[in-house]
Amino acid sequence: ETGVTQTPRHLVMGMTNKKSLKCEQHLGHNAMYWYKQSAKKPLELMFVYSLEERVENNSVPSRFSPECPNSSHLFLHLHTLQPEDSALYLCASSQGPDIRSYEQYFGPGTRLTVT
Amino acid sequence: QKEVEQNSGPLSVPEGAIASLNCTYSDRVSQSFFWYRQYSGKSPELIMSIYSNGDKEDGRFTAQLNKASQYVSLLIRDSQPSDSATYLCAVHGSGNTGKLIFGQGTTLQVKP
Repeated sequence: ETGVTQTPRHLVMGMTNKKSLKCEQHLGHNAMYWYKQSAKKPLELMFVYSLEERVENNSVPSRFSPECPNSSHLFLHLHTLQPEDSALYLCASSQGPDIRSYEQYFGPGTRLTVT
Repeated sequence: QKEVEQNSGPLSVPEGAIASLNCTYSDRVSQSFFWYRQYSGKSPELIMSIYSNGDKEDGRFTAQLNKASQYVSLLIRDSQPSDSATYLCAVHGSGNTGKLIFGQGTTLQVKP
């Protein structure tokens, strides 16, 4: 595996389900990110982890719960989601924290549909 | 005022022409600037980074930065139909969390 991988690629879940998204980076990077991309809206940063510590939480509802067990893996745990949470969820990583190391590389994304 | 602004387009250019994509940002302390290409249904792909005022060229792509005017642009020479995509401008400001602010993207259509 190379780059940033995400599983599953597609997910359909009901509002009462609990599911998890997984991201793995094979780039030796120190920082990982979760983004939400909805139609016609800019990428929305959800969470930032740097060296396994959460350093940014952009007022994300508690029904989204991130976990970063090590610098290569990032999870997003989902529970009691709403239909408006349907979107493309993107994981990214960067070398960080040097100023020239903020280039972020994205995984393929998980297309989430909440029914 | 949006932090990073782009014209959503679509910008339509004929094959072989120069496509010019523009981006303005509001945070004067921003230091790092990035252009991503996103094909429909795919994730963003980093195509250019620029950190200093002036031009940076990579193949058919040229990024231009003017910090005084808070303006960054991407030129695509000899545009090809395969360049048809949405181009996202991203800006890193102050702090060391790696947080990037993305514009909403400009859709480019290159017509054969």
